[in-house]
Amino acid sequence: EAEVAQSPRYKITEKSQAVAFWCDPISGHATLYWYRQILGQGPELLVQFQDESVVDDSQLPKDRFSAERLKGVDSTLKIQPAELGDSAMYLCASSVTAYEQYFGPGTRLTVT
Amino acid sequence: GENVEQHPSTLSVQEGDSAVIKCTYSDSASNYFPWYKQELGKGPQLIIDIRSNVGEKKDQRIAVTLNKTAKHFSLHITETQPEDSAVYFCAASSDSGYALNFGKGTSLLVTP
Repeated sequence: EAEVAQSPRYKITEKSQAVAFWCDPISGHATLYWYRQILGQGPELLVQFQDESVVDDSQLPKDRFSAERLKGVDSTLKIQPAELGDSAMYLCASSVTAYEQYFGPGTRLTVT
Repeated sequence: GENVEQHPSTLSVQEGDSAVIKCTYSDSASNYFPWYKQELGKGPQLIIDIRSNVGEKKDQRIAVTLNKTAKHFSLHITETQPEDSAVYFCAASSDSGYALNFGKGTSLLVTP
């Protein structure tokens, strides 16, 4: 069964450092999402791509966060500089239609 | 924007009993309502979903009901088993954006 791949699974970084996360969606899924999940809460959308184009990045803190999906396949989410409040699970999801989003295992980020 | 509220936040049942989780939403344009199961350290897993042209959907021990007039939908799990223990999230989206708006989750514990 095809799955969304994410790496790394865990990342510990010091505040003010840069950090990057990678996502490989299910093959053929044109839509890719990055969500952030704070412990004890539901995921919240950071950015949505349709192929290589950004569809929605209204909730992305653009002063420190950036995301790209250059060839419309895999994607990278970057934080620079990281802050203590960025500690969370970063989830990638993909879908082939407007419905049925499938999530990867996530990257657990701890900022010290 | 869309606001999804989920109740209860925790639910404890005995094995074999039924469990019901309820969600309400605010945006009348919402037309897609999935439910996700998240186990510790893993990404959310889609378990069932319903679209606004359907009032009820069932898949083995899991069922979802939707009342568009009242703007609420519910997850029903029958004959619960210990492996059903997890955090369950409801979500809603519309054709205007597709991004999922999640509830805060329900921690379900099924005791043998």
